[in-house]
Amino acid sequence: NAGVTQTPKFQVLKTGQSMTLQCAQDMNHNSMYWYRQDPGMGLRLIYYSASEGTTDKGEVPNGYNVSRLNKREFSLRLESAAPSQTSVYFCASSGRDRGHQPQHFGDGTRLSIL
Amino acid sequence: KQEVTQIPAALSVPEGENLVLNCSFTDSAIYNLQWFRQDPGKGLTSLLLIQSSQREQTSGRLNASLDKSSGRSTLYIAASQPGDSATYLCALAASDYKLSFGAGTTVTVRA
Repeated sequence: NAGVTQTPKFQVLKTGQSMTLQCAQDMNHNSMYWYRQDPGMGLRLIYYSASEGTTDKGEVPNGYNVSRLNKREFSLRLESAAPSQTSVYFCASSGRDRGHQPQHFGDGTRLSIL
Repeated sequence: KQEVTQIPAALSVPEGENLVLNCSFTDSAIYNLQWFRQDPGKGLTSLLLIQSSQREQTSGRLNASLDKSSGRSTLYIAASQPGDSATYLCALAASDYKLSFGAGTTVTVRA
């Protein structure tokens, strides 16, 4: 019962480098989400995908791009990393009935930008 | 824009005491409210989900209430145990199901 799997778990980048964070879910969920969590703040939505083939911006999309590769996988790309993107990144998914079902979260990717 | 506030930011109680965690929000036009638990270095685990039309939800020692008119939700944990030590976050879903999170309350239950 893997649920939501994120890779890598930890990463250190230099300013200007690019990177893709991977997320896969095995619950046949339609919707997938990317959040970032910073100290003293709640999670903030970066991008989400309500269903396969669609993506939409969340609260803090600048500096990020996403790809919904298929129903299972939703990746987050940093094209040119900046120190302000140092954070913990969480992927989540939810079923077709998004209003009545909770989101399921992965264990996060801890990303440091030097 | 929905603003979600959780006060206090941290709470320490002796084992056996009942826990009361507060969440306040500014926009009552919500679809649902969710309470999550987060252990250090881990992701979020859903505890309870309250629909907009409901007043409360219960699961074991946990009870969550929702009062949209006052913009408040409360999570009660009865007879706390050291294993309840974690950060608890509330989140509200708007009609497009996007979640707005509070910063969380970190709970320590002392044995």
